Amino acid sequence: KQEVTQIPAALSVPEGENLVLNCSFTDSAIYNLQWFRQDPGKGLTSLLLIQSSQREQTSGRLNASLDKSSGRSTLYIAASQPGDSATYLCAPDNYGQNFVFGPGTRLSVLP
Amino acid sequence: DGGITQSPKYLFRKEGQNVTLSCEQNLNHDAMYWYRQDPGQGLRLIYYSQIVNDFQKGDIAEGYSVSREKKESFPLTVTSAQKNPTAFYLCASSIPGQGSYEQYFGPGTRLTVT
Repeated sequence: KQEVTQIPAALSVPEGENLVLNCSFTDSAIYNLQWFRQDPGKGLTSLLLIQSSQREQTSGRLNASLDKSSGRSTLYIAASQPGDSATYLCAPDNYGQNFVFGPGTRLSVLP
Repeated sequence: DGGITQSPKYLFRKEGQNVTLSCEQNLNHDAMYWYRQDPGQGLRLIYYSQIVNDFQKGDIAEGYSVSREKKESFPLTVTSAQKNPTAFYLCASSIPGQGSYEQYFGPGTRLTVT
């Protein structure tokens, strides 16, 4: 059964810093891994989807990498802004049937 | 304007009552999903449906029921058998399959049972 961990659980940084969020999963037999953002009391917003054949995906200041064989993904946020404050969730899929979610990293970017 | 709608945003019920949460999508997606989120935890899958008139149990299906009579709609009923129903419920949809697909989420329904 796929299990997902995310480190750190919480992170507080000053505005402008570059930062890395880590995601680890136990079963490398995945088709995709998706990164989401969740604001307090809201639904999830998709940030990036990485297919298993890809090593990374980029969208604006966000870059996600995937090392399927070692069961790891990282989300890199460049030049962080207060508007980036949210909880970030990673979700590898479960044999292509559905996604399995990590507990999230709660990010605070201080002005 | 395509998307997923969930209603209501907040729902309050007395213990012992069944309650149905609505989820509607106009993205023309075949697959739909229900998740539960508790404070400080990730999302846990309750039920999912890859196609109309078919659905499968997720990791925590006990005490819940669903139906999928229309492509656009996937209502979730929280029954009185669910021992701890107070939670944030999220609905999602996607194009099914093992290729490249993204899940899109609704805004969620916060259920409080007292």
